[in-house]
Amino acid sequence: DAGVTQSPTHLIKTRGQQVTLRCSPKSGHDTVSWYQQALGQGPQFIFQYYEEEERQRGNFPDRFSGHQFPNYSSELNVNALLLGDSALYLCASSLARDGYTFGSGTRLTVV
Amino acid sequence: SQQGEEDPQALSIQEGENATMNCSYKTSINNLQWYRQNSGRGLVHLILIRSNEREKHSGRLRVTLDTSKKSSSLLITASRAADTASYFCATDQHLEGGGADGLTFGKGTHLIIQP
Repeated sequence: DAGVTQSPTHLIKTRGQQVTLRCSPKSGHDTVSWYQQALGQGPQFIFQYYEEEERQRGNFPDRFSGHQFPNYSSELNVNALLLGDSALYLCASSLARDGYTFGSGTRLTVV
Repeated sequence: SQQGEEDPQALSIQEGENATMNCSYKTSINNLQWYRQNSGRGLVHLILIRSNEREKHSGRLRVTLDTSKKSSSLLITASRAADTASYFCATDQHLEGGGADGLTFGKGTHLIIQP
């Protein structure tokens, strides 16, 4: 039973570019959440998707957008990258609100 | 914003000793969860305690929750070198009318177990 899969594992982008990160949830999970974790900090909630719609959003600008597909997989898009967007991006899946399962994350470096 | 605040920020103990980490939060919650993270990798779910529970055990882990003080503690007994990691508490906030608001994490406690 595969857990949460994220791709790519590492990514280097140039300031101003756009990036797409991908997440496949754990089998049986229908809800996907995205988190940003800066170095030395705890994860910060970006948004959550359920039934292909953004259900809730944290305090992130509109440059951060997402999508959930019918198979429950999800993408996180970030436009006009800033140096401060460099972080570990974590995807978590769940069924209802118990016991989130996290992926290993995508390490994004903006130069 | 980060609701949970772990204390201490860092803890170094000898293998075999017990490690205790504390977490404080600000709002009403549905549940509180503890996670472990090794070297900036993904988070591993350790234990979930609901707002109507006061104590929970899982193997060498013991979690307490005091909703009147808005605090929780994680005790790891008989620590091992493999327990070296960062530990985060995360709260699932109670929202009027239900709905989801994601988890709110603290900054974590970095635990080092010395062999």
